[in-house]
Amino acid sequence: GQSLEQPSEVTAVEGAIVQINCTYQTSGFYGLSWYQQHDGGAPTFLSYNALDGLEETGRFSSFLSRSDSYGYLLLQELQMKDSASYFCAVRGTDKLIFGTGTRLQVFP
Amino acid sequence: DAGVIQSPRHEVTEMGQEVTLRCKPISGHDYLFWYRQTMMRGLELLIYFNNNVPIDDSGMPEDRFSAKMPNASFSTLKIQPSEPRDSAVYFCASRPSEGQTQYFGPGTRLLVL
Repeated sequence: GQSLEQPSEVTAVEGAIVQINCTYQTSGFYGLSWYQQHDGGAPTFLSYNALDGLEETGRFSSFLSRSDSYGYLLLQELQMKDSASYFCAVRGTDKLIFGTGTRLQVFP
Repeated sequence: DAGVIQSPRHEVTEMGQEVTLRCKPISGHDYLFWYRQTMMRGLELLIYFNNNVPIDDSGMPEDRFSAKMPNASFSTLKIQPSEPRDSAVYFCASRPSEGQTQYFGPGTRLLVL
């Protein structure tokens, strides 16, 4: 089977850095994705890691360690608009299995 | 491109009624996914299609749920009969053969009374 664990909630202040961790157990692994979802909205793609290491996209970075079955999403220079839920998702062949999501609240 | 289009955006129905949700994927995308999102169960994959063919329907809750994709530009998810526990947000997503990004539609918010 497949399972993903991530913290349910994280809080931070504007301008800070926050890291959202994700550990996974899966029978087949092709990569780890991250999606952002604002309240009332749809999930939107942030990043994808197929290989070990760090991928950087602007203020957001994502890391993967396949040997540790672990990844994280790093958000820098937090802004109020970053308040949302963040989901890690394991790609197994064609489909994604989503984690339960981490709700990030950014305070002024 | 307009993105993934779903209709209706909101649906309120009574228990026992048939509900049909519709999805138009992004043109050229070969994969189409149906998800259900609730507070209790999170974002669950119900079924996905590749080139209009259902590949994996292991997430479909029970026989009351069915999905079809008669052509590359249209898919439906039907619930018959509907039950209050089916109340959720149903998302459709699509992606091209090459690439990792799934593009989600705005969702259909279903309330079964």
